[in-house]
Amino acid sequence: GQQVMQIPQYQHVQEGEDFTTYCNSSTTLSNIQWYKQRPGGHPVFLIQLVKSGEVKKQKRLTFQFGEAKKNSSLHITATQTTDVGTYFCAGRGAGTASKLTFGTGTRLQVTL
Amino acid sequence: NAGVTQTPKFRVLKTGQSMTLLCAQDMNHEYMYWYRQDPGMGLRLIHYSVGEGTTAKGEVPDGYNVSRLKKQNFLLGLESAAPSQTSVYFCASSLWGGGNQPQHFGDGTRLSIL
Repeated sequence: GQQVMQIPQYQHVQEGEDFTTYCNSSTTLSNIQWYKQRPGGHPVFLIQLVKSGEVKKQKRLTFQFGEAKKNSSLHITATQTTDVGTYFCAGRGAGTASKLTFGTGTRLQVTL
Repeated sequence: NAGVTQTPKFRVLKTGQSMTLLCAQDMNHEYMYWYRQDPGMGLRLIHYSVGEGTTAKGEVPDGYNVSRLKKQNFLLGLESAAPSQTSVYFCASSLWGGGNQPQHFGDGTRLSIL
């Protein structure tokens, strides 16, 4: 079945440093979504990418979808303590209906 | 709007006991999902529903049953609880399916099986 892996599993940065998490799928994706889960909380939808090579920005967050639609990345510029949490990508395989496959997640810790 | 509401929030069971987790959404969403979250494994889909009266198996359905008798409710049952089912369970809903709609999650149920 479709597998979605994320690296790194965990990253610890100092406030103000940049952070990037990478998402890789074993199969071509129709679209990819990104979610953020705060410690003790539930996943919250951030954004969806659909087109090959698409880049979207949300303030300090930049999301990219690879040209081959098999990988994606989330980059945070100048992290803040409010960025702490686990970031998940979730992809839908081409031709697959109804359900997403979630990645393993990257846990981000930010300290002052 | 409450969004997606899960009950209970915490539960401890003994091996072999049964229980039902409740999920309710007030957004008139067609699709509903049950996931389990274990450390280092992300979210794994247990069962899902594409509409009232329908259910389908996800990635890890064994040991669980579901029902969607009403559009707003999606129930997850554990027939005979096992320690391997200790996990955090999340319910989610989306307006439509196809994997191209945002999913809205409940706060989760933390379940321990002793």
